Amino acid sequence: TQLLEQSPQFLSIQEGENLTVYCNSSSVFSSLQWYRQEPGEGPVLLVTVVTGGEVKKLKRLTFQFGDARKDSSLHITAAQPGDTGLYLCAGERGAGSYQLTFGKGTKLSVIP
Amino acid sequence: SQTIHQWPATLVQPVGSPLSLECTVEGTSNPNLYWYRQAAGRGLQLLFYSVGIGQISSEVPQNLSASRPQDRQFILSSKKLLLSDSGFYLCAWSGHDRYNEQFFGPGTRLTVL
Repeated sequence: TQLLEQSPQFLSIQEGENLTVYCNSSSVFSSLQWYRQEPGEGPVLLVTVVTGGEVKKLKRLTFQFGDARKDSSLHITAAQPGDTGLYLCAGERGAGSYQLTFGKGTKLSVIP
Repeated sequence: SQTIHQWPATLVQPVGSPLSLECTVEGTSNPNLYWYRQAAGRGLQLLFYSVGIGQISSEVPQNLSASRPQDRQFILSSKKLLLSDSGFYLCAWSGHDRYNEQFFGPGTRLTVL
């Protein structure tokens, strides 16, 4: 079974602080996606990383895929209350697979 | 642009009653379709997926079933609900690109009493 472990499970920070959340596995994924979910809504895709060592930036969010394609991180610079939500990582089980393996998520609260 | 709809948004049902949740996608053809369940605002458990009309794959044995009567319609059903069926049910679609990026509906909150 390919598992994705996310850490920390919960994170509460003040507005303006920086943070990093992690997504780790012992398995290799052909690609990895990050989603953000707000309470009572469906997850929204933020980014897909596909190459080992790849770094992608989305405004104040920086995503990195590990060299071995087993882990990923999400760094947020100068967090804002609008960043509050559940951050989920999901790995594609194999190229052309129809299924994603989801982590349990990191619940982020940014306090004004 | 593509949109995905789910209904109802919330549902309260007694134990033993039947269930039918519907999901429809607009703006794309022959999507892959998925049903997930999410407990307590945490990770997603894949229940069913479909790569075409009438083609259903089940990930987890349970008292739920799924059907795809039309290309862009996906239905989740149960004949008799259990307390453990309570949760947040999400439908998603993906295209046929390499990375299986999925796009989720707004979800249905099901409470079984």
